[in-house]
Amino acid sequence: NAGVTQTPKFQVLKTGQSMTLQCAQDMNHNSMYWYRQDPGMGLRLIYYSASEGTTDKGEVPNGYNVSRLNKREFSLRLESAAPSQTSVYFCASRIENTEAFFGQGTRLTVV
Amino acid sequence: GENVEQHPSTLSVQEGDSAVIKCTYSDSASNYFPWYKQELGKRPQLIIDIRSNVGEKKDQRIAVTLNKTAKHFSLHITETQPEDSAVYFCAARGYGGSQGNLIFGKGTKLSVKP
Repeated sequence: NAGVTQTPKFQVLKTGQSMTLQCAQDMNHNSMYWYRQDPGMGLRLIYYSASEGTTDKGEVPNGYNVSRLNKREFSLRLESAAPSQTSVYFCASRIENTEAFFGQGTRLTVV
Repeated sequence: GENVEQHPSTLSVQEGDSAVIKCTYSDSASNYFPWYKQELGKRPQLIIDIRSNVGEKKDQRIAVTLNKTAKHFSLHITETQPEDSAVYFCAARGYGGSQGNLIFGKGTKLSVKP
C-alpha cells in the first residue's frame, strides 16, 4: 500500500518554463489537495478537489492550474514558472473529516 | 473562511520537561482538529486529532485539549525526548469558503535539548 505518491521529488526550472507535478493515491479517497510550504508560512492550500470531476481554488492559486484526472490522480501545473514559486509542494488526500495523508513532497527551485 | 493562528513559532525545552503549543481558530462550525509532526526533510504525519464532541484526548505522552467556547485547542507533550524535536502543525477543518479543507497554522519548531 503506497499511500500518496508524488513525482518528481526534486526539480529545477528556469523562469518561464512549465511543468506538471503528479500525485496519485491508492486509498480510494475522495478529496485531494495541493499545498505549498515556505519557511515560516506553514502549509498553504493552492487548490483542492473534493471529488472526482471538481476542483476549487485555495488560499494561493495564482500561477497554478490543476486537473483531477480520475479518483486516484490530481496534478498541479505551473504554466510559466516564477522565482516566487520556489517552494516545497505537498499533495495530500483524505476521506471527509479524517486525517490527511501527505505525499513525500516535491522540492522545486525556479532560477 | 477558516483562519488558524498558532503559537509559539519556536519552543526550546530541556529533555524531560513538558511542551505546550496553542492554536486558535475562527470558524465556530469547525469540528475536526488534527496535529501533525514534520521532521526535517520529511512529510507531515498525524500524531493526534480531536473532534468537537470531545474536550480532551490522550495518547501516551501526547494530549490535545479543545475549548470550543474560546475556539482554541492545545497540544501537550510530557516528558519530552530529543526525538520529539520537529515542526508541529495544528489544523482545523474549514467551512464556508474553505469547506471540507484542512487549514493549517504556521507551525511551531520544537527543540528538545538533551
